[in-house]
Amino acid sequence: GDSVTQMEGPVTLSEEAFLTINCTYTATGYPSLFWYVQYPGEGLQLLLKATKADDKGSNKGFEATYRKETTSFHLEKGSVQVSDSAVYFCALIGNTGFQKLVFGTGTRLLVSP
Amino acid sequence: EPEVTQTPSHQVTQMGQEVILRCVPISNHLYFYWYRQILGQKVEFLVSFYNNEISEKSEIFDDQFSVERPDGSNFTLKIRSTKLEDSAMYFCASSDRENTEAFFGQGTRLTVV
Repeated sequence: GDSVTQMEGPVTLSEEAFLTINCTYTATGYPSLFWYVQYPGEGLQLLLKATKADDKGSNKGFEATYRKETTSFHLEKGSVQVSDSAVYFCALIGNTGFQKLVFGTGTRLLVSP
Repeated sequence: EPEVTQTPSHQVTQMGQEVILRCVPISNHLYFYWYRQILGQKVEFLVSFYNNEISEKSEIFDDQFSVERPDGSNFTLKIRSTKLEDSAMYFCASSDRENTEAFFGQGTRLTVV
């Protein structure tokens, strides 16, 4: 079945450092790909998405490119802030006719001043 | 901005009791979901609901679980006889069409004692 694999956390960075969180997926066909973020004590918020190969999703300085050849959707940000500290989830919706999101295990990001 | 609302935010119940978790999806959305997140673990799909019936359910969603859309605005998850292992954060989500992102509520933290 469909699955998402994310890098283990926590990722600990200093403010203004460059961020990469790796995400790879296994799915048949052409899934839609998403990054969700969960701030402490809150629910899941959509951060960005990409629905076809080579699409780049971007929001709040974060970006990720849908790479079909490497089945990847790595999250990047050029300069992180303390307020970016959260858990980041990579997810997909397959195109098998079902609507469910399949999530990765989440990667906790800790940014220190 | 429209949002998914869930009540209560925290529910404590005794093992064997029935609980009902309530959700108001975004008003023009047609697809409704429940997910759960056991503390520190990945977000897991429970069930999807469309056109007044279950469209898909996971192996977690056994006979102890049921969903209902009792009126035009609410969407509920009932657990008939709670077990300790049902303790988790339960997220309701909705989407307006197929194969697109879901919008999540803030979650209900269920604690079974």
